[in-house]
Amino acid sequence: DAGVTQSPTHLIKTRGQQVTLRCSPISGHKSVSWYQQVLGQGPQFIFQYYEKEERGRGNFPDRFSARQFPNYSSELNVNALLLGDSALYLCASGQGGSIYNEQFFGPGTRLTVL
Amino acid sequence: GIQVEQSPPDLILQEGANSTLRCNFSDSVNNLQWFHQNPWGQLINLFYIPSGTKQNGRLSATTVATERYSLLYISSSQTTDSGVYFCAVERHMRFGAGTRLTVKP
Repeated sequence: DAGVTQSPTHLIKTRGQQVTLRCSPISGHKSVSWYQQVLGQGPQFIFQYYEKEERGRGNFPDRFSARQFPNYSSELNVNALLLGDSALYLCASGQGGSIYNEQFFGPGTRLTVL
Repeated sequence: GIQVEQSPPDLILQEGANSTLRCNFSDSVNNLQWFHQNPWGQLINLFYIPSGTKQNGRLSATTVATERYSLLYISSSQTTDSGVYFCAVERHMRFGAGTRLTVKP
């Protein structure tokens, strides 16, 4: 079975641009979460979506937005990129619907903002 | 929000040695996972262990929920065990800062 997939693998953007990252969850999983990992730190929670509804939002500015599609895949959008947005963006999927929810992570998208 | 602390921050071992990594959390939790992050950034699931003890080969983990800590044991370490080990708690995964493990041949 395929695991969580993310695209693209790497991305280079300049300040002020917009970026869209994509994630496909494990088949049968209905929950997708996004995390940002800055070099040398642990991942930080950005969003969770379950059954196409936002179920949680971390402490990130409104420049960050996300959505989940009927097939449970998800997109993370970041507008007006800043140098500080350079990070590894990780997507995780889970069966969701419960507070007991093991999550599985994709390989990540490494974003560099110049 | 809940605080997660991992110790030690760095650990250097000789191949074949055993180690214990600790994760303390500030409030009761319903979810706790241990991950190994490889050099390419992939987070690999080790254990889903909100309570109790589990073992998988050379690795085992114990969570004592009432005392708010979890331990990850690595026995007979190998160079491939090198990387960063994270614990994370709750549905919206609050991560600790990680333990960087280096296993030398």
